[in-house]
Amino acid sequence: DTEVTQTPKHLVMGMTNKKSLKCEQHMGHRAMYWYKQKAKKPPELMFVYSYEKLSINESVPSRFSPECPNSSLLNLHLHALQPEDSALYLCASSQATRNEKLFFGSGTQLSVL
Amino acid sequence: RKEVEQDPGPFNVPEGATVAFNCTYSNSASQSFFWYRQDCRKEPKLLMSVYSSGNEDGRFTAQLNRASQYISLLIRDSKLSDSATYLCVVKVTGANNLFFGTGTRLTVIP
Repeated sequence: DTEVTQTPKHLVMGMTNKKSLKCEQHMGHRAMYWYKQKAKKPPELMFVYSYEKLSINESVPSRFSPECPNSSLLNLHLHALQPEDSALYLCASSQATRNEKLFFGSGTQLSVL
Repeated sequence: RKEVEQDPGPFNVPEGATVAFNCTYSNSASQSFFWYRQDCRKEPKLLMSVYSSGNEDGRFTAQLNRASQYISLLIRDSKLSDSATYLCVVKVTGANNLFFGTGTRLTVIP
C-alpha cells in the first residue's frame, strides 16, 4: 500500500468544470510533486513544492493551479481543461528535494470530455 | 538529445529466463541513479537504487558504468509477476527534479 494517498482515483470532467485533485502524505516529507503521465510515456514533472513553497513550475498552463495548504497536503485545482489534458496525474513526495527517492500516490485517472 | 534513453522493448521472455535492460544518460554530472517499476495503470514504485559498486537484491542486479554513462538492470529467473514497465531514473547534480527514461516494457510468458 502506498503511503501517499490521492483522491479521487478517477475523475471525468467537462471543459467548463472546476475540480480539484488531492494528495496527502504523513511521512514527514518536505517535498511534494505533481506529475502528469500519458499512456506509454514516462511521468512529466509539473510542479515541485519544497517546504510548502512552490520551487518549480515546469511551464504548466494556468488552467492547472497547485496549492500546498500544509506540509502534508497538496492540491491541484483544475479549470477549463482541454481533452488533451486527459492523463494519469501522480502526486509524489520525498524527504527533501535533494533526496531523490520518490514515493508516488496511486494517481488520479482524469478524463476531460 | 534526451537526458535518459532506454530501449522501449517490448521484451517478451519465458519464465525462468534472464533478461537485462540498459539505460544511457547524457549528463556527466548525473549523480544518482534508480530503477522504478510501473505496472499498467499503477504508480511507479522504486525497485532499487544503483550504486557505483553495483548492487543486488534477490534476483535483481543493478550496475552503473560511469565511463560509458549507462546503467543496467539484470533480472534472473524471471517470474510472471515481473511483467511491468521498468523506468530508468537519473538525478543530475544541482537539479531539483529527476529525469525519467521512457521505460522498457517486459512481459514474462508462461
